[in-house]
Amino acid sequence: DVKVTQSSRYLVKRTGEKVFLECVQDMDHENMFWYRQDPGLGLRLIYFSYDVKMKEKGDIPEGYSVSREKKERFSLILESASTNQTSMYLCASSSAGPSNQPQHFGDGTRLSIL
Amino acid sequence: AQKVTQAQTEISVVEKEDVTLDCVYETRDTTYYLFWYKQPPSGELVFLIRRNSFDEQNEISGRYSWNFQKSTSSFNFTITASQVVDSAVYFCALRGGSGNTGKLIFGQGTTLQVKP
Repeated sequence: DVKVTQSSRYLVKRTGEKVFLECVQDMDHENMFWYRQDPGLGLRLIYFSYDVKMKEKGDIPEGYSVSREKKERFSLILESASTNQTSMYLCASSSAGPSNQPQHFGDGTRLSIL
Repeated sequence: AQKVTQAQTEISVVEKEDVTLDCVYETRDTTYYLFWYKQPPSGELVFLIRRNSFDEQNEISGRYSWNFQKSTSSFNFTITASQVVDSAVYFCALRGGSGNTGKLIFGQGTTLQVKP
């Protein structure tokens, strides 16, 4: 089974802090994704990566950056955390095979910015 | 533009009732892929099913069934004889066929509560 592991289930940080969310997958997937989930808005794509050191902006990249130095690891960075970034963050991965390959998700990180 | 609409925000049923979750999508791609995911209270999204645009066969898996109709751009999900364990948020998602970046467009989600 595919395993996508997010480093923290719950995280509390302060406004202005630099925050790192880590995600690791063990299936040698080429594609990795970061979403945030907010009530009534579903999942919105922040950034994605289809190869090591490659990244593409999603629908809501403002205030975030990402890093993919190794194939299995995709990090989301909040450069200067703000209260409107309090949310549930979900990481996912998928293979670069046929387009019907599903994304596999981690357990999510509930991030609170105080 | 691609869009997925799940008009039902919340549904509440009593155990053993049948329930249908609606999903309507918009895309200009001739080839596309549809997915359903379940998010239980624990938080992780669990993949349930995928459907290719060129395959309109309906599918049944135990108590779950999916009705794909291209004519109405719908991909509805029915749970027969619902159980308390079915309580979760359900997401419908769409991926276009062009390119292979794997991006998914999600609907807003439908929260299903099954009461004992």
